[in-house]
This record gives sequence, C-alpha cells and structure tokens, in this order.
Amino acid sequence: AQTVTQSQPEMSVQEAETVTLSCTYDTSESNYYLFWYKQPPSRQMILVIRQEAYKQQNATENRFSVNFQKAAKSFSLKISDSQLGDTAMYFCAFILYNFNKFYFGSGTKLNVKP
Amino acid sequence: ETGVTQSPTHLIKTRGQQVTLRCSSQSGHNTVSWYQQALGQGPQFIFQYYREEENGRGNFPPRFSGLQFPNYSSELNVNALELDDSALYLCASSRDRSNTEAFFGQGTRLTVV
Repeated sequence: AQTVTQSQPEMSVQEAETVTLSCTYDTSESNYYLFWYKQPPSRQMILVIRQEAYKQQNATENRFSVNFQKAAKSFSLKISDSQLGDTAMYFCAFILYNFNKFYFGSGTKLNVKP
Repeated sequence: ETGVTQSPTHLIKTRGQQVTLRCSSQSGHNTVSWYQQALGQGPQFIFQYYREEENGRGNFPPRFSGLQFPNYSSELNVNALELDDSALYLCASSRDRSNTEAFFGQGTRLTVV
C-alpha cells in the first residue's frame, strides 16, 4: 500500500525565519516523483517543489528546498525567509512511475506570524 | 492562475439528489483527474480521464461517474448523494497520463444536507 504521513498538523513561524515541514512515505516501488503542494484559503493546489526519486540532488526553488532521504523514505520541506504569503496548508504527495494518481498526506497548516 | 477552471465554486444539495461538477482543463492538456478532499484531509483520487476514456479509478462507488469531452474538459457526476459526499472536489489537468506536471483548479465545495 502507498501511504504518506505528515506528523505535524499545524506549525507556526515568525516572518523571515526558517521552518521545516516533515513528510514520510511508504511504497515498495523504487521509481516515483515526490511533491510539495501549497493550498491557501483560495483552495487551489499550487505546486511548490518536485523531486524525482532517482535524483540524489535535493530540489530547490528559490526559498523552498527539500531534504530527500530515499532510504528513510523521508521528504521534508524547508522554507527560508518565511513570508506572510506562505501561510497555507502544505501537502506532501507522490506519484509512481507509470501510474496516474497522487497519494497525498493529510497536510500541515503553516501560520506565518508578523 | 493555473488555467484550470471549475464550476460551480459552491453547491448545496439534498441527500439523494444528483450533482454534476465541471472542469475546463488547461490548453494543450489531454488528461483530467478528479479528487475528493474531505475536511481536514488530503485529496483522494476518484478517477482519471485520458483522451475521453477512463484511465484508472480509485476506491469510489459506481455512483461516482465522469465524462471527458473532445475539447478535454470533464464532468464529475455523483448520483444518490450521501452526507459523506460533502467535500471539496478538485480537478487536475496535465499534458499526459503521468501527472508529473499537473495543474489544479480551485475546486468545487459540495455540501450535502
């Protein structure tokens, strides 16, 4: 079975500080993509960052970076220089190669405080 | 803006009724997937349509059905609505079936009373 676990239901961070959101997943497959999506109150899922499992180098997108530990099946998201606009639900997800559906975690609600 | 639009944005229906939700995919995308997101949970896969045919289905009963049209827009139909069907319904469009570059709409909030 494919599962995603986000153990932090809610987190808070001060503006301009750094925060790390945790995610672990379980699959017996070796080829997959991992994602972090942001869902603000507008409800639209917005792609934050994507990682291909066969790549050892951690993905980075501006202030967002991941720590991908394939053996541990861990995929954490680090947000640097947090901004008020980062306030949202964050979902960790993965897709298996040659399969067509996302497996999502239950989300982490991030509050960025001024 | 992702170029994926869903309608309506909100809907209230009575138990036992039927509902149709709509999704316009991004230009150039031939694949649409539908997800149900219950309150406080992550989205759950309902099904995917690729070039007008169903291409995979999640653990949802047959009263959840769909269509994809020649312009690749899509509909999600739910018959015999139950209270537990109350959720946010998201569609995602992508250039191919792999969904590795999927763009989501803003969702339809369905409330069943």
